[in-house]
Amino acid sequence: QVQLQESGPGLVKSSETVSLTCTVSGDSISNHFWSWVRQPPGKGLEWIGHTFFGGSISYNPSLKSRVTISVDTSRNQFSLNLNSVTTADTAMYYCARLIVDSQHLRIDPWGQGTLVTVSS
Amino acid sequence: QTVVNQEPSLTVSPGETVTLTCASSTGPVTNNYQPNWFQQKPGQGPRPLIYSTNNKYSWTPARFSGSLLGGKAALTLSGVQPDDEADYYCLLYYGGAGVVFGGGTKLTVL
Repeated sequence: QVQLQESGPGLVKSSETVSLTCTVSGDSISNHFWSWVRQPPGKGLEWIGHTFFGGSISYNPSLKSRVTISVDTSRNQFSLNLNSVTTADTAMYYCARLIVDSQHLRIDPWGQGTLVTVSS
Repeated sequence: QTVVNQEPSLTVSPGETVTLTCASSTGPVTNNYQPNWFQQKPGQGPRPLIYSTNNKYSWTPARFSGSLLGGKAALTLSGVQPDDEADYYCLLYYGGAGVVFGGGTKLTVL
């Protein structure tokens, strides 16, 4: 059974960098794409970006200048760094596995999410 | 920037059939966009329901089905149950440009 678990600081200050980690169990980080998605309180889902261990990375254009997603194969983890945060970045942050082949795309499973609050 | 549009809200009675749609600002949705659908209930994370237009997960109830309809991706619930009250999000894949979520549909069962 594949499981993902997010970890990171629950509270950060405006203008700082938030760093989140997703630990993957039950699957190798080298096998698939891995994604970050966020959801501000009371709002919809927003794709942040996804990465493949070989270096293929895609970011949401609206966040691209502030986001870095990286993979640590030795720890079977992937990470999100979001810099220059503002209160608008307050959200639940989810990590998820993205499986893509010539026929299908699926995003499953998802982590339980971690709430990041940005204080002004 | 690419926008994916969904009905903001729909209200349906138990036992009825309802169709939620997902449209792309770039043009008609085709299978190449790999439409995915997710259900989210209050206080919970997104639960995948449908992938690649019409493929179900092992946990997806039979009353949920995905399709393409009039240039949009569609999620149909046949015989809606009170437990189906939730937010539903679609997702479309734009290749190297990544993926985009729709704004979500709040489904109310009255």
